[in-house]
Amino acid sequence: ETGVTQTPRHLVMGMTNKKSLKCEQHLGHNAMYWYKQSAKKPLELMFVYSLEERVENNSVPSRFSPECPNSSHLFLHLHTLQPEDSALYLCASSSGQGAQETQYFGPGTRLLVL
Amino acid sequence: AQSVTQLDSQVPVFEEAPVELRCNYSSSVSVYLFWYVQYPNQGLQLLLKYLSGSTLVKGINGFEAEFNKSQTSFHLRKPSVHISDTAEYFCAVTISGAGSYQLTFGKGTKLSVIP
Repeated sequence: ETGVTQTPRHLVMGMTNKKSLKCEQHLGHNAMYWYKQSAKKPLELMFVYSLEERVENNSVPSRFSPECPNSSHLFLHLHTLQPEDSALYLCASSSGQGAQETQYFGPGTRLLVL
Repeated sequence: AQSVTQLDSQVPVFEEAPVELRCNYSSSVSVYLFWYVQYPNQGLQLLLKYLSGSTLVKGINGFEAEFNKSQTSFHLRKPSVHISDTAEYFCAVTISGAGSYQLTFGKGTKLSVIP
């Protein structure tokens, strides 16, 4: 398998549930990103990990908790979400030298919070 | 902080006609500029980027863009579109030379190619 993969592709959860999104990259990259894509809004950068250390955290609510156990895997742990958190969550990776490097995106996880 | 404006949220165009998707940015420092494309049910894919050098940048699928510093623009063009170009296009900007991981996106332009 090549590129950036994300699982699950679709997720429906209640506000009291706990779930996790998984991202895996097979490109040998050192940086990984989580973005939120909502309708009629620009892509919002949530978190960036470089060499497994968090280097960006854009004021994301604590109900979103990222984890990067190694340079190939990135998780987004979700708990007590709100309906406004429903969106497409995109994972991306890059070679790890800053945002001038091309980012390679996964297909996203479509999340619906009821 | 930098920002990106894509004035057109939707652009319909007939097949084989030319198209221009507009992008303007705002920044107090030098920037790198990007165009990404998102096909239905897929993630984003890089079309082209401007880092330095020639202001005319050629990308994949016959697209090109021109960096205009005086007008703070980075418009995307294609001389003849195909049905397969139907997608959403995103302009993005980051601060040059700072090693920042912050990539700021515009709201996107949906290109619809009409047969």
